[in-house]
Amino acid sequence: DADVTQTPRNRITKTGKRIMLECSQTKGHDRMYWYRQDPGLGLRLIYYSFDVKDINKGEISDGYSVSRQAQAKFSLSLESAIPNQTALYFCATSEVAYPGELFFGEGSRLTVL
Amino acid sequence: GQNIDQPTEMTATEGAIVQINCTYQTSGFNGLFWYQQHAGEAPTFLSYNVLDGLEEKGRFSSFLSRSKGYSYLLLKELQMKDSASYLCAVHQAGTALIFGKGTTLSVSS
Repeated sequence: DADVTQTPRNRITKTGKRIMLECSQTKGHDRMYWYRQDPGLGLRLIYYSFDVKDINKGEISDGYSVSRQAQAKFSLSLESAIPNQTALYFCATSEVAYPGELFFGEGSRLTVL
Repeated sequence: GQNIDQPTEMTATEGAIVQINCTYQTSGFNGLFWYQQHAGEAPTFLSYNVLDGLEEKGRFSSFLSRSKGYSYLLLKELQMKDSASYLCAVHQAGTALIFGKGTTLSVSS
C-alpha cells in the first residue's frame, strides 16, 4: 500500500460544484502539503500544514481551503470549482528534520467543465 | 518571494553527461533540492544541498553556490530511463518547498 494516498485519483466535475480531495498518510510525518501541477507551470504550492493546529497559505491559495483533520489526514476543498482549477493535484508529506524531502501521493487529476 | 529559473527542455544521448542548471533568488535560504518526475508519475526526491559544494550520489551529482544563487544537477552515463522532468526547488526557513517550472530531459539512443 502507498504511504501517501490520495482520493479520488480522477474526478470530472462541473463549474460551481464543491469538490474535496483527500490525502492520508501512514508515514507518521507531521508536515503535509498540497501542490497543483499544470503543464509549463510546474508545481505550485496551495497550502501547507506543519501540524494539526497549523495551516498556512501557499503561492496560490485563492479559491481553495484545507482541513487538517488529524496528523494523518489533510483535505483540500474547492468550494465552487471553476475551469482554470483543472489540474493535477499532489499531496505530500515530510519529516520535521528533513523539511525539503517530500514524499508525494500519486496525484488527483481534476477536470472542471 | 522566490524566483527559480531552469531551462524548459534539454536533449542528450545515451551514455553522455548532461548538466541541468538552476538559478534562484530567495531570502532565508535553507536548502536547494532536486526532484525527478517521470511522465504520469509523482515527483521523487533525488538530492539536496545546504552548503556550497558538490554532493555525489551514484550517477547523479548536485552542486550549490549560495553566493551566486546557482545550482546544477549533473547526470552521468545517461540511460534511456533518465528521460524525465527534473525539478529544482528551494526551501526557505519556516516555509514549504517552492519549485521551479522543471526541465524536461529527453535521452535518445
